[in-house]
Order: sequence, then structure tokens, then C-alpha cells
Amino acid sequence: EDQVTQSPEALRLQEGESSSLNCSYTVSGLRGLFWYRQDPGKGPEFLFTLYSAGEEKEKERLKATLTKKESFLHITAPKPEDSATYLCAVGDSWGKLQFGAGTQVVVTP
Amino acid sequence: ETGVTQTPRHLVMGMTNKKSLKCEQHLGHNAMYWYKQSAKKPLELMFVYSLEERVENNSVPSRFSPECPNSSHLFLHLHTLQPEDSALYLCASSQGGAGASKNIQYFGAGTRLSVL
Repeated sequence: EDQVTQSPEALRLQEGESSSLNCSYTVSGLRGLFWYRQDPGKGPEFLFTLYSAGEEKEKERLKATLTKKESFLHITAPKPEDSATYLCAVGDSWGKLQFGAGTQVVVTP
Repeated sequence: ETGVTQTPRHLVMGMTNKKSLKCEQHLGHNAMYWYKQSAKKPLELMFVYSLEERVENNSVPSRFSPECPNSSHLFLHLHTLQPEDSALYLCASSQGGAGASKNIQYFGAGTRLSVL
């Protein structure tokens, strides 16, 4: 059975304190690993998609990496505006997305 | 105009009411989705429409009834809901078809539903 597990559930950081979020997965026929950001009261906002092991993508202070079993979202020198819930999802061979429960990140000044 | 628009943003209904959620996408996509998001749980896929045909129904109770009149509009009709149906209901759209890039789903802001 396909599974997506995110850790930690919650993360509290000081501004400028870099950290990483983990997304581990088991899925048959991976068709992309997706990262989304969700702010309170809003829908998920697409950040990245990674397709093959070794691939990396960056956007501002965020960098996503992918191995055969997990993905990391690295947050470098975070700012308070990076506070959000970060969701990981895997695409299967049918094109559907299966989501993890998310990591809630709070960055304090 | 934002890419995916959902209305209403908030809805309170009694267990005997009938209401509908609306979703409209302005991205030219041909696949649309309904998800349920409950606190501390992963997004649950409810329904998938591709080219206006329902291709997925994840064992959703019949009190939820989707409708997709065209590729830009999606509705979720609600009747005789239960308190445990209270959640954030999210609509998404994608270009559809094979390939990771085509499966990037873009979400609306959701409808926060409370069932009393």
C-alpha cells in the first residue's frame, strides 16, 4: 500500500535558523514528488516537483532534494514569512496525488 | 481572476439541509478534483473528473454528489450531512494526462464547512 510520511509534525525555528523537513514514501510507479505550501485559511500552493533521484530544485530560501525513498525540504535562514504548513505528495502511475499529513513550521523573529 | 475559485468560502449547515459547493478554474485545465482536509490528517481525494467524466470515486458516501457540467466548473452537492463531515473542502485542477508536469494540481482556497 502506498504511504507518505512527513516528519516532524511541527517545527519551531528562530529567524535565521536553518532546518530540514523530511518526506518518506513508498509508492509503486512514482510519477513525481510534489511539495506544496499551505497558509492558514488558504489552499495549498505549489512549490516544486521532483521526478528522479538526485534531482534538486531551489526557490528563494527553499531547496528540495529527492532520493529513492525520501525527499527533504531544506529551509535556509528562514524568515517569519516562511511560516506555513508544508505538504509533500507523491504522484502514482495513474496521475493521482497522495499527500502526507504535513509539517507545520513556525518561524519566530 | 485567480486560477481556481471556490465559493462559498464558509458554510454552516444543519444536518437536514441541502447545499452546493462551487469551483471554477481559469487555467484551461481538463482535470478537476475534490479533496477533504480534516485537521491533522492528509488531504483525502474524493472525486476526480477528467474531460468531464468521473474517473475516481474514493468510496465517498452518497450524501456527497459531484457534478462537472464542463471542464471549467465543478460542483459538490451536499445533503443530510453528519457533523463528522465538517472540514475544509478543496478543489483542484490540472492539465491531466501522463507525465509529472501535467499532474501539477493547482488548488482553490477551499470552503470551510461546519455541520451542526
